[in-house]
Amino acid sequence: GENVEQHPSTLSVQEGDSAVIKCTYSDSASNYFPWYKQELGKRPQLIIDIRSNVGEKKDQRIAVTLNKTAKHFSLHITETQPEDSAVYFCAASMYGNKLVFGAGTILRVKS
Amino acid sequence: DGGITQSPKYLFRKEGQNVTLSCEQNLNHDAMYWYRQDPGQGLRLIYYSQIVNDFQKGDIAEGYSVSREKKESFPLTVTSAQKNPTAFYLCASRGRVREARWAYEQYFGPGTRLTVT
Repeated sequence: GENVEQHPSTLSVQEGDSAVIKCTYSDSASNYFPWYKQELGKRPQLIIDIRSNVGEKKDQRIAVTLNKTAKHFSLHITETQPEDSAVYFCAASMYGNKLVFGAGTILRVKS
Repeated sequence: DGGITQSPKYLFRKEGQNVTLSCEQNLNHDAMYWYRQDPGQGLRLIYYSQIVNDFQKGDIAEGYSVSREKKESFPLTVTSAQKNPTAFYLCASRGRVREARWAYEQYFGPGTRLTVT
């Protein structure tokens, strides 16, 4: 089955700097890769996703890149703000079914 | 909030008791999912259902049971056979991205935090 590894487990950045979180997956059949943001005690919120027919997707300050050959994808947050502090999860699946999640990255943005 | 509700928000039970967690959605989604989240960890799939009256085991189904009698509802029962039931339980449903044939997204409910002592 699918296995997703996520790094780093914690990330501290200064406000205004960029943050990058990386994930690798094992099943080459996976074609959908979402990123979720979870604040303490709350539900995961989908912030961006990418499907295997594209290599990069941007939405304002966040972007995701996908390398199908190497089976890895990354989340990039530019101009970080204190409200970006949260736990971020990557996941992989086929067509959005049965998501397999990474272990999460705690992002701390210091002001 | 995505039209997925879970109740209650907090649930306390004694060891040895079965407990049922509610999940309802009004999004007309066919597929629904139950995930478990332990502190400092990612989410793990317990059960999922692609359509009414059908469901499949996920990665950690032991000690849990589900039913899917209505499209809107996918309750999860945590039985006394589940050895470590204390966790945050999240229900999700899968919907099609507007105007995209094979593109789907999962949306989560607010979760139920179950504590068993």
